[in-house]
Amino acid sequence: QSVLTQPPSVSAAPGQKVTISCSGSNSNIGNNYVSWYQQLPGTAPKLLIYDNTERPSGIPDRFSGSKSGTSATLAITGLQTGDEADYYCGTWDSSLSAVVFGGGTKLTVL
Amino acid sequence: EVQLVQSGAEVKKPGESLKISCKGSGYSFTNYWIGWVRQMPGKGLDWMGIIYPGDSDTRYSPSFQGQVTISADKSISTAYLQWNSLKASDTAMYYCARRGSYWYFDLWGRGTLVTVSS
Repeated sequence: QSVLTQPPSVSAAPGQKVTISCSGSNSNIGNNYVSWYQQLPGTAPKLLIYDNTERPSGIPDRFSGSKSGTSATLAITGLQTGDEADYYCGTWDSSLSAVVFGGGTKLTVL
Repeated sequence: EVQLVQSGAEVKKPGESLKISCKGSGYSFTNYWIGWVRQMPGKGLDWMGIIYPGDSDTRYSPSFQGQVTISADKSISTAYLQWNSLKASDTAMYYCARRGSYWYFDLWGRGTLVTVSS
C-alpha cells in the first residue's frame, strides 16, 4: 500500500489527452513539492516534472503538472504510442521523513 | 556526459553479503545527494535512503534502516549500497539517482539487478 494513491491504469487514443492523479495528505503533497517520473518498459525512471509544474530541459510541453491541496495531476496531451509507460508521482513526507512514491499508473495508448 | 554508471547484475545466495556501486561522472559528484531506489519485480518504486558524498551525511528510509548500508567514496565519485546478509526478498532492481534542488531525482542510473536464490 503506497502512501500516495494513483490509479493503476489509464488509457486514451493517440492524439488525445490523459490525466493521471496522485492523492496524498498534508504531510506529503499538501506541504511539499511533487515530481513525476516516466518509466518506459525495461528502462530506468526519467524525471518528467519537478516542483509541481516545472519541466526539465528536453521534456516536451505536452507534459504538464499541477497541484491543488493534497492532490497532484500529470497531464499528457497529443498522446503518442511512445508515451506508453508507467508513471510515478513522488514527494517528501514530513511525518515519515522519507521520499514517498505513488504505486504507479500504466498508460496505454490505444 | 553527465551520467551515473551502476555495477553489473548480481546473483547471490541467501545469507551472502553484497556491495553494489554507482559512479557519477560529468558533474561535481560531491555537491549532489545520491539516493537509492528499489523496484521489486513488477512493482513500484521504494526509496531506500540517500547520501551526500561531500561529507557522507546519510539518511535512511525507516523501512530500510538497519537493513542496508549506504556509503560513498568521493575520491572516486562512487556511491555504494551494501547488504550483510541477503534474503530472497531482496531480489529487485536497484537504481541510484541524483537528487535535484529539492526532493526529486533528475539523473538515474540504469539499475543493478540483484537476484537472491538458493
